[in-house]
Amino acid sequence: EAQVTQNPRYLITVTGKKLTVTCSQNMNHEYMSWYRQDPGLGLRQIYYSMNVEVTDKGDVPEGYKVSRKEKRNFPLILESPSPNQTSLYFCASSFARQGYEQYFGPGTRLTVT
Amino acid sequence: SQKIEQNSEALNIQEGKTATLTCNYTNYSPAYLQWYRQDPGRGPVFLLLIRENEKEKRKERLKVTFDTTLKQSLFHITASQPADSATYLCALDTPSSQGGKLIFGQGTELSVKP
Repeated sequence: EAQVTQNPRYLITVTGKKLTVTCSQNMNHEYMSWYRQDPGLGLRQIYYSMNVEVTDKGDVPEGYKVSRKEKRNFPLILESPSPNQTSLYFCASSFARQGYEQYFGPGTRLTVT
Repeated sequence: SQKIEQNSEALNIQEGKTATLTCNYTNYSPAYLQWYRQDPGRGPVFLLLIRENEKEKRKERLKVTFDTTLKQSLFHITASQPADSATYLCALDTPSSQGGKLIFGQGTELSVKP
């Protein structure tokens, strides 16, 4: 089954404690991205990757890091989480950057206290 | 400034009627426009993609129109069912010259009453 998986699905953590949210896709997609979704602000792109070892900033990259060492995985790293990073996070992948449907993961609900 | 707007209010309709959702944008010239469905707490699910040179696209009970002159897309669900209740997102697929991003609207919440 074609899918994007994310882990963990729910996470409550404290300010400053480094965390990683994993993302994996099994469709051999070139393009992967991370979004955060907040009430009233919609989906905003954090980082994206056009291919292995190629990553770039989206609209709201501050406080986040990513890596793309393998085609299937695109982890999101919060080195020092803060309460304003409390949000619902989605990983997505697609065959290419433009003109193709995005496959979204199930989401990770993060709370930083 | 660049902007994308969907119906600001939630849309409530009766089962069997046609739901029409609006997506308006300014200062973009997207090459494609996409529509997604999102259920509470879940990831968006792709529904339809329409190209800038296409006026209309259909898939089962769904129809999308794309007017690049008006800078508007309309999304129709015919013979609506309570199971169609969800939030619907439009997304502009911009070319590299305009940032090369998929830009999402905030969504319209649709409620179909039996």
